[in-house]
Amino acid sequence: SQQGEEDPQALSIQEGENATMNCSYKTSINNLQWYRQNSGRGLVHLILIRSNEREKHSGRLRVTLDTSKKSSSLLITASRAADTASYFCATGKAAGNKLTFGGGTRVLVKP
Amino acid sequence: NAGVMQNPRHLVRRRGQEARLRCSPMKGHSHVYWYRQLPEEGLKFMVYLQKENIIDESGMPKERFSAEFPKEGPSILRIQQVVRGDSAAYFCASQTGQGEETQYFGPGTRLLVL
Repeated sequence: SQQGEEDPQALSIQEGENATMNCSYKTSINNLQWYRQNSGRGLVHLILIRSNEREKHSGRLRVTLDTSKKSSSLLITASRAADTASYFCATGKAAGNKLTFGGGTRVLVKP
Repeated sequence: NAGVMQNPRHLVRRRGQEARLRCSPMKGHSHVYWYRQLPEEGLKFMVYLQKENIIDESGMPKERFSAEFPKEGPSILRIQQVVRGDSAAYFCASQTGQGEETQYFGPGTRLLVL
């Protein structure tokens, strides 16, 4: 598998439900970032978590990082139809370093 | 503060032509990254540049592709003699270069090679 693989590949939920997606990676990292991409659009930065952090929150988003398992999760609480998008995790080895992206999780929030 | 700007947003080329993609980073950002995204896939790193320097081009195909980030003006990704397999979305991201890890992405250029 590749660095930064998301699971599941696709997720369909009802508005108001929580959405959880996971990301696994293989090598050591300095930081892990989550991005959202609406269909045919650019990437929007959601949240960055550093390797010495375990959990971060931003609004309805909660990100966890377990470096011992080389995995991260993104939780979107009380989902809205506007959350429909693809979500990507990306790992970085240092500031000023390329990001390695996973294949993304496509989330559909049904109204 | 304008975000990362890319142009054109859509580009159609015939096989054998040249494609030039431009990226203007956010104000105050001196680091630029180029990524390529094939349909239904994640982004793949191509090249990392600072002003007038290529820092990491490990993701760039060895032939036909080149990138620059001059002292003045936007960063340019140039693809010579395009082939159908070059059809993809090309994204530019910028970073402050002051120890910050976050990369801010532009809207992308969607290249279609006929």
